[in-house]
Formats: sequence, structure tokens, C-alpha cells
Amino acid sequence: RKEVEQDPGPFNVPEGATVAFNCTYSNSASQSFFWYRQDCRKEPKLLMSVYSSGNEDGRFTAQLNRASQYISLLIRDSKLSDSATYLCVVNIGSQTGANNLFFGTGTRLTVIP
Amino acid sequence: DAGVTQSPTHLIKTRGQQVTLRCSPISGHKSVSWYQQVLGQGPQFIFQYYEKEERGRGNFPDRFSARQFPNYSSELNVNALLLGDSALYLCASSPALQVTNEKLLFGSGTQLSVL
Repeated sequence: RKEVEQDPGPFNVPEGATVAFNCTYSNSASQSFFWYRQDCRKEPKLLMSVYSSGNEDGRFTAQLNRASQYISLLIRDSKLSDSATYLCVVNIGSQTGANNLFFGTGTRLTVIP
Repeated sequence: DAGVTQSPTHLIKTRGQQVTLRCSPISGHKSVSWYQQVLGQGPQFIFQYYEKEERGRGNFPDRFSARQFPNYSSELNVNALLLGDSALYLCASSPALQVTNEKLLFGSGTQLSVL
């Protein structure tokens, strides 16, 4: 079983729509959680960290459910510029204290005019 | 300030050859991590170096090796290249060993094609 599983999509939504992405992780000892955005042929860029209390950044809301080992990202009022691949990332840590980051395969979003 | 810089941006090699990829972290960052991203997949962790020591290693064969220099720049070396090594190789830097609420900042990557 993969450490992080995401629906690869693609999600094709009209401008202004609300879209939600989900992600599950298998290691209950996972320590920190992130959503990254990756544009075609570019490097991933941090979108937001994810906390158990939930967090919001403008049109983006992230939620973490540790009991269900589930992470979500909600995008409201979609813009054309939101078209990208969204990567769910989990840090399960290590005995050396180093990062041990696992990326999902990414969910591809296309916002249509 | 310059971001994470990687060189070269593109590289074409043939099977069996060796390749060295280079990364310069953001000024002040002491940790460098390497990732392999095959087309259609998420990045997969290869190595993490912190203060010039290897602190983490992913599930990659011994053909993959890396090192970090006193100025915190890093090289990733891959020997005996296989077709399956064709991928985008990403370098990421961070100030500390662990990424919690801090950003893990990626370079734009080296696209390696093995023919």
C-alpha cells in the first residue's frame, strides 16, 4: 500500500466553482502535512501546511483528520490560474530526525473559462 | 536572494553512463534533499543531507550517491544509468533538519533523459 494516496483526477471545473481534493495516508505516526502545487514542468511550491484545527488561506481551506488519516483541500471560487497539479505531502519523520516526506501522485485540476 | 539553483537544466545520457547533478541551496539553508519525479508521479525521496552528513536515504539502489560540501551545495551522482532513471531530479533546501511549519523550497530541477 502506498504511503499517500490521491485521486489523480483530472478534475475539470468551470470558473467560480468549488472543488475538493482528498488524500489518505497510511502511517499513523505521520508528523506533518502539506499541500504543494505544481505547474506543468515546474517545481512543486508549498501551498499550505495542514493542521488538525483546519486552516484557511484566502480561497483555500485545508483540513486534517488524524483519526481517519485523511487530508483535504477545498478551493472556492476557482480561477483559471488555479489550474495545476496539487500534491498531498506527508512527513513521517525518522529516527535520525531527518525529513521523510512522501508525496502523493498529485491531483490534476483544470479550471475552464 | 537567489532561490535554489540546479544545474544543468536538461541532460541527455545513454544507458550505462554516469551523471552528476548539482544544487546550490538558498543562502543560510543547511539542509539539501534530492527527489526523483518520474512523469505522472509525485516526487520520490532519494537523500537528505544536513551539515554535510547524510541524514536520510530513500529506497534507491547504490548506483545513486550524493554529497554535501562545506558551502552546503550538493551533488547527486548516478552510475550505470538505466532507461528508468529518466526523470525530473529536484533539489530542495530548508534551514533546518526537519520540515515542520517551515518551507521546503525546491529548485526548478534537472530533466534527465536516458536513451
